[in-house]
Amino acid sequence: SQTIHQWPATLVQPVGSPLSLECTVEGTSNPNLYWYRQAAGRGLQLLFYSVGIGQISSEVPQNLSASRPQDRQFILSSKKLLLSDSGFYLCAWSVWGTAEGNTIYFGEGSWLTVV
Amino acid sequence: AQSVSQHNHHVILSEAASLELGCNYSYGGTVNLFWYVQYPGQHLQLLLKYFSGDPLVKGIKGFEAEFIKSKFSFNLRKPSVQWSDTAEYFCAVSLRDNYGQNFVFGPGTRLSVLP
Repeated sequence: SQTIHQWPATLVQPVGSPLSLECTVEGTSNPNLYWYRQAAGRGLQLLFYSVGIGQISSEVPQNLSASRPQDRQFILSSKKLLLSDSGFYLCAWSVWGTAEGNTIYFGEGSWLTVV
Repeated sequence: AQSVSQHNHHVILSEAASLELGCNYSYGGTVNLFWYVQYPGQHLQLLLKYFSGDPLVKGIKGFEAEFIKSKFSFNLRKPSVQWSDTAEYFCAVSLRDNYGQNFVFGPGTRLSVLP
């Protein structure tokens, strides 16, 4: 069965420091991968999604970037964090046109606090 | 741009009351529709989904949703809620865009069930 791992679960970083959140998916190949940010009362905001290695679509201009160095690995990064980057970040995956039915599955999320 | 709206930000019910959470989307093409639930301290889980066929779909824990194409709606219902249904509920739409498969989420509805 497929699983998704996301780490770290919580992170406290000073303003101006770099960020790296990692996500890996197991049990499937060539997944679509996503990074969302969840804010209270605003639902899930799509930040990036990727249909393949090195292919990243950025949905919202911001202080963050994403990379996909391997098929099942997705990394969210920042060179210099801002206070406004604080939030709950979710990695997710889907596989179009399969028995999984084009459904998106989420990791457990990472709480980022920028101080 | 595609969007998903949810009618209520916060719903408070007593146990055994009936529940209906509204969801509307703005997209004229073929969509897949989902409801996800996030229990306190847990990650997002799939509650139910609609791809085609019978517009009334049943999910886990006694939830159901009805797709009304003419109204662009996908409302979630449960005849009798329990305290354990306290959670945040997200409606989502999946569609194909120029890049790949995109999932758009509503802002969420927080459900509080009083014992």
